[in-house]
Amino acid sequence: NAGVMQNPRHLVRRRGQEARLRCSPMKGHSHVYWYRQLPEEGLKFMVYLQKENIIDESGMPKERFSAEFPKEGPSILRIQQVVRGDSAAYFCASSPSSPNYNEQFFGPGTRLTVL
Amino acid sequence: KNEVEQSPQNLTAQEGEFITINCSYSVGISALHWLQQHPGGGIVSLFMLSSGKKKHGRLIATINIQEKHSSLHITASHPRDSAVYICAVSTQGGSEKLVFGKGTKLTVNP
Repeated sequence: NAGVMQNPRHLVRRRGQEARLRCSPMKGHSHVYWYRQLPEEGLKFMVYLQKENIIDESGMPKERFSAEFPKEGPSILRIQQVVRGDSAAYFCASSPSSPNYNEQFFGPGTRLTVL
Repeated sequence: KNEVEQSPQNLTAQEGEFITINCSYSVGISALHWLQQHPGGGIVSLFMLSSGKKKHGRLIATINIQEKHSSLHITASHPRDSAVYICAVSTQGGSEKLVFGKGTKLTVNP
């Protein structure tokens, strides 16, 4: 049973380009969380999704950032018109569908560098 | 004030020493998590607990719900334990998103 997968592991973009980060949850998991770790800072929640639904996006910047988790395929975190301040490690975590079961399993992260 | 506070921020120990990392939180929680992050690496979940004590190998995690406090202990520390240890809480009544402490950087010298 493969763990949470994220790709790419490293992504370099120039200012103004788009970044697409992918997360494939563990088999049987339908809950996905995205977290961001800025350099020298702690992890911060961004968004929580279930299949085809955004449940909580209270941590997402209001502009340029969006997330989806389609019925088929991985969850995508999309950053439009990237700026240097978007450089960070982006982690995805997944958890099973059972209610009141809140252990989260983390992916290896995508390290985004904006030049 | 952060909702999750960890101490110490940095910790250096000699191999074999007993290590304690502390975590205090100020919000209602459904569970508390201890995570480990190696330099440049991913995040591994060590423990999830909502009461009492859990043990896995040389690691022990305890939580006191009344005092809103948890500790992570490492017995017989080893250089391979060097990592950042992160305390996180799942907040009550919501999306179970995690709120993180800033982490404790542990260095164990041989």
